Amino acid sequence: GQQLNQSPQSMFIQEGEDVSMNCTSSSIFNTWLWYKQDPGEGPVLLIALYKAGELTSNGRLTAQFGITRKDSFLNISASIPSDVGIYFCAGQLYTDKLIFGTGTRLQVFP
Amino acid sequence: GAGVSQSPSNKVTEKGKDVELRCDPISGHTALYWYRQSLGQGLEFLIYFQGNSAPDKSGLPSDRFSAERTGGSVSTLTIQRTQQEDSAVYLCASSWDSNEKLFFGSGTQLSVL
Repeated sequence: GQQLNQSPQSMFIQEGEDVSMNCTSSSIFNTWLWYKQDPGEGPVLLIALYKAGELTSNGRLTAQFGITRKDSFLNISASIPSDVGIYFCAGQLYTDKLIFGTGTRLQVFP
Repeated sequence: GAGVSQSPSNKVTEKGKDVELRCDPISGHTALYWYRQSLGQGLEFLIYFQGNSAPDKSGLPSDRFSAERTGGSVSTLTIQRTQQEDSAVYLCASSWDSNEKLFFGSGTQLSVL
């Protein structure tokens, strides 16, 4: 099935470092979302973006809705051990079903 | 509880057997999704129910897979004649109307021996 491309696939960083990841699509979306999946759990919504160019923060997380409407970015500042998990982007066009990205696996070392 | 509930949490079956996976969405949520997540992989869309509309079955990988949603609430995903490549975590999610904010269950880990 259709999936959005996320990069990088995985990241290994030290506690305190900043993290950047992105998501690209071949088609436009009206809504971009970022979810986080902890081990053994389902994904949980972190941030929702509704307008091209929009920049939204949630604590140490900042996400942007790309101007072209075909990409989105997520930044995590000053990473901590509990940031470990898989981060998924997702896009939605109007009321169509959500399409998820391939995921970025984040590992944080103390 | 108030969240999305999936059962069983783990299922081990023999190749060729049929399995049923259950999802209880959050009360009042009209949209329900099934996704499959293979080890270390992303979320593969399977099927989408929205209210009384015909379900979007475009993600079902073969005719061995089917899903129902009775009374607009509980959903069952059925896999017939299971194969080893069906082994994965099957995740269910629900949301208000066609809202983008999905609430996920913890998934069913299916292992086909």
